[in-house]
Amino acid sequence: SQKIEQNSEALNIQEGKTATLTCNYTNYSPAYLQWYRQDPGRGPVFLLLIRENEKEKRKERLKVTFDTTLKQSLFHITASQPADSATYLCALPTDSWGKFQFGAGTQVVVTP
Amino acid sequence: EAGVVQSPRYKIIEKKQPVAFWCNPISGHNTLYWYRQNLGQGPELLIRYENEEAVDDSQLPKDRFSAERLKGVDSTLKIQPAELGDSAVYLCASSLGSQETQYFGPGTRLLVL
Repeated sequence: SQKIEQNSEALNIQEGKTATLTCNYTNYSPAYLQWYRQDPGRGPVFLLLIRENEKEKRKERLKVTFDTTLKQSLFHITASQPADSATYLCALPTDSWGKFQFGAGTQVVVTP
Repeated sequence: EAGVVQSPRYKIIEKKQPVAFWCNPISGHNTLYWYRQNLGQGPELLIRYENEEAVDDSQLPKDRFSAERLKGVDSTLKIQPAELGDSAVYLCASSLGSQETQYFGPGTRLLVL
């Protein structure tokens, strides 16, 4: 069956450092992968989409890589700030018609 | 532009009672999703609409859950009767079309006692 794994343990990081999150998947061949941010009491907010033919995508202090051989995506937050504290979810399409499966998410805590 | 609106934000009911959630998607968004999110988990799809048609309801527990999207705009998700295990956050999302970026509402937090 299709499975998505994200680090279940919270990532505690000092302000200014780079946070790196992983998203591993099995039994998928996704054409693209998405990353979302979720704050407590709120719905997820879309951050980045990376396609299978793109090795890397950047948006401001965010960087995403996508390795279809390893079946893994890495999500980096550079120069992290306390405002980056949230849960980050990866999502993969499970069909060609808009069905997505989400990972459980990794909580990031950035301390001053 | 207003985002996805959901109501109520919180609901506490006793088991076996009915409950309904309402979602108003972003104007012009044809695709509407209902997800359920348990604590510490990612959202799980319950049903997806393309306009007024439910195109994927394979994960909707049809014995107690029902949904409708009249006129292809607002949508309502109903649970009757509710069970203790239904306690979760129910999220509505919309997108311009399938495979487009999803915009989520704040969710309805349901507690079944």
